Amino acid sequence: DIQMTQSPSSLSASVGDRLTITCRASQSISRYLNWYQQKPGEAPKVLIYTASSLQSGVPSRFSGRGSGTDFTLTISNLQPEDFATYYCQQSYTSPLTFGPGTRVDIK
Amino acid sequence: QVQLVESGGGVVQPGRSLRLSCIASGFTFNSYAMHWVRQAPGKGLEWVALISYDGSKIFYSDSVKGQFTISRDNSKNTLFLQMNSLTAEDTAVYYCVRSYDTLDYLDYWGQGTLVSVSS
Repeated sequence: DIQMTQSPSSLSASVGDRLTITCRASQSISRYLNWYQQKPGEAPKVLIYTASSLQSGVPSRFSGRGSGTDFTLTISNLQPEDFATYYCQQSYTSPLTFGPGTRVDIK
Repeated sequence: QVQLVESGGGVVQPGRSLRLSCIASGFTFNSYAMHWVRQAPGKGLEWVALISYDGSKIFYSDSVKGQFTISRDNSKNTLFLQMNSLTAEDTAVYYCVRSYDTLDYLDYWGQGTLVSVSS
């Protein structure tokens, strides 16, 4: 199975900050990497798919990069509604696997 | 609009069975792969199983293989998850999720149904 890791596991940030979350796969997954946001008590929602494609309706302050084993999610100009947990997920092969999550809270 | 509504969760004793359902609406159900993803209390997301649009391809996580069975009834726009021999480790919110292809990103999620395994 492909293992996904994320760093950091949590971070504190302020409104207006730019932050980057890193996701690493245990083997190459090409660009089959997706990012999700989950707020407490809610279902996750997809932000970025195939590494860098922005899901419809998602603000352009979210961006993704990477290929192979190393990927990043960047949030520029952090907004109050962005405080949440972020998960990466590979869709290269079964079983689909998620990273452990990165919690972003208010500094 | 796309809606995925799960049902069938609840409190169940260890060793018993439970069947989850997910009724889909707002899209052509028989054109999409479907998944179950679970989340234990306070924990991260764990993919459980997927079924292709026509039911011809099915995959499971190692943690539920041989214990859970995913199925679908395209005539009723419904996805199922039969869960047998439940243990405390199966306690989680179970999400019904859509993807366009079997190996693809998960674009719509239901609100989830809570399964609690406890004596």
